[in-house]
Amino acid sequence: QAVVTQEPSLTVSPGGTVTLTCGSSTGAVTSGHYPYWFQQKPGQAPRTLIYDTSNKHSWTPARFSGSLLGGKAALTLSGAQPEDEAEYYCLLSYSGALVFGGGTKLTVL
Amino acid sequence: EVQLVESGGGLVQPGRSLRLSCAASGFTFDDYAMHWVRQAPGKGLEWVSGISWNSGSIGYADSVKGRFTISRDNAKNSLYLQMNSLRAEDTALYYCAKSRGYEWEPNGVDYWGQGTLVTVSS
Repeated sequence: QAVVTQEPSLTVSPGGTVTLTCGSSTGAVTSGHYPYWFQQKPGQAPRTLIYDTSNKHSWTPARFSGSLLGGKAALTLSGAQPEDEAEYYCLLSYSGALVFGGGTKLTVL
Repeated sequence: EVQLVESGGGLVQPGRSLRLSCAASGFTFDDYAMHWVRQAPGKGLEWVSGISWNSGSIGYADSVKGRFTISRDNAKNSLYLQMNSLRAEDTALYYCAKSRGYEWEPNGVDYWGQGTLVTVSS
């Protein structure tokens, strides 16, 4: 199965902007991988933020946005808040399987 | 309100079997595909298996193929995961998750349960 790669950790200042990326071992990530993004805080179940590259759920804060950037899926957080400190996972769809990335631990400091 | 409640986890010896269940409510269960996702202690998320709305399409991760079987009972609004030949590396919190569409691929997850813990150890 494919391997999906994410930055292991990133740090952003409160109010700052950060971009998390999601790459594929098979080549460029496209809309055909239907990228998803999830947020998980310690001791909690994951929460879905973004689906199909850039679509938000009703509960997704406006400061989160999804896109394709340089052959990868990207999650951009603009105006980081202390409550955004969490682990973030992407999910890509391949023929016959879904594959999660290893996660990015985002610190707001 | 969508609710997904997993059950059936516990301590099991290597090589034995376990069956997980997920009770769904708050949505029309047979309109959506479903998934199982697991998370080993201190590790990341791993997609385990997906099943379409009518059980016509099913997929498994390579790590569980041939050992795990996903199924659903739309009359009971329930999802199941039969896990055979369990290994220590199957130890994880198992989440039941609702898909966004009828088919499990390429649709990911929009709602998650709280998980049920499976520990495989002698």
